[in-house]
Amino acid sequence: EAGVAQSPRYKIIEKRQSVAFWCNPISGHATLYWYQQILGQGPKLLIQFQNNGVVDDSQLPKDRFSAERLKGVDSTLKIQPAKLEDSAVYLCASSLVGGAYEQYFGPGTRLTVT
Amino acid sequence: AQSVTQLDSHVSVSEGTPVLLRCNYSSSYSPSLFWYVQHPNKGLQLLLKYTSAATLVKGINGFEAEFKKSETSFHLTKPSAHMSDAAEYFCVVGGSQGNLIFGKGTKLSVKP
Repeated sequence: EAGVAQSPRYKIIEKRQSVAFWCNPISGHATLYWYQQILGQGPKLLIQFQNNGVVDDSQLPKDRFSAERLKGVDSTLKIQPAKLEDSAVYLCASSLVGGAYEQYFGPGTRLTVT
Repeated sequence: AQSVTQLDSHVSVSEGTPVLLRCNYSSSYSPSLFWYVQHPNKGLQLLLKYTSAATLVKGINGFEAEFKKSETSFHLTKPSAHMSDAAEYFCVVGGSQGNLIFGKGTKLSVKP
């Protein structure tokens, strides 16, 4: 089966610019996650969707980050405006159901903010 | 609240020697625990998982981990390291809503 797809793979922007990342989960997976992985650290959950509803966005910096999941399938994560500390790899993951823990990760988008 | 602590940020072994990557956890209830591996420029891959069945868990590529409740540990081992094992390894605990809480990672280097 096809895995989790993410694009772009790499993005370089200047601070205060905006950027968007796209994720297509595994077909049939109801739950979708966005993680932020800063260099030298483990991934940190930003937001979790169940179908097209938000389950947990407690660690999403809502003043600059936003995310949506269209029709319960694809998802986009946006940063506006970007800060230097947003430089990280943004990982998307999906699972068949929520609470099952078996998550499948995409290759990630590496964002560099200059 | 759940958390994990990986005791070594970097482990270096010679090819053919045993691997030990250490992890301690903290959880207010019986935890689900995982080890994930991340090769350079590749996605995270699940190595193995513990979900309250057998305490010794076997995973892919010859890795295994033992859940020790008395020590709150979930160390990852492999009898003989291979060059292809060089990667970053993450110990992970399951959160209350199905999310994953990652440790900071241990970078494994394998010398020929």
